[in-house]
Amino acid sequence: AQSVTQLDSHVSVSEGTPVLLRCNYSSSYSPSLFWYVQHPNKGLQLLLKYTSAATLVKGINGFEAEFKKSETSFHLTKPSAHMSDAAEYFCVVIQMDSSYKLIFGSGTRLLVRP
Amino acid sequence: DADVTQTPRNRITKTGKRIMLECSQTKGHDRMYWYRQDPGLGLRLIYYSFDVKDINKGEISDGYSVSRQAQAKFSLSLESAIPNQTALYFCATSDFDSSTDTQYFGPGTRLTVL
Repeated sequence: AQSVTQLDSHVSVSEGTPVLLRCNYSSSYSPSLFWYVQHPNKGLQLLLKYTSAATLVKGINGFEAEFKKSETSFHLTKPSAHMSDAAEYFCVVIQMDSSYKLIFGSGTRLLVRP
Repeated sequence: DADVTQTPRNRITKTGKRIMLECSQTKGHDRMYWYRQDPGLGLRLIYYSFDVKDINKGEISDGYSVSRQAQAKFSLSLESAIPNQTALYFCATSDFDSSTDTQYFGPGTRLTVL
């Protein structure tokens, strides 16, 4: 079975500094991985996805993530945080059975200080 | 207009009441999903449907039922609501692609059961 673990429940950064949100995955197969973002009182928006093509994936709003098989990691990064990045971020893996359901991590809340 | 809509957006109900949450999509996708979100737990799958004649249980289907009235409509019912069903509920759709299966989420329904 596939699973993801988000290593930090909360991350706080200052505006203009780098962002690192950590995610480790467990999968018997070559996984398909996603990062979704949820702004307050909003639905979930896809940031980026990894599907066994390039290991460095670029997403929207300047975010990117690097798939590292040796470390079973898929960390999300951004060089410079903006106040509008404050939200909850979910690392997600597809369960590779007949359901193809999404398995969500528990989420990381990103706080951006002025 | 939003591609995935949910009604109502907020609902307060009492224990024992029957309640229906509705989801509509204009993306033309065959696959639809219902998730619930609880703090610190990410999203968990309640039911999913691959087409009008196909309904499948997710990991937490007890106490819920669904109806796929048309390709574009997927309703979630709580036959007799209980307080631990208080949560944020999301509908999602996808256009199946075995390698990615990107899901698109509605804005959510916040349900409170007193």
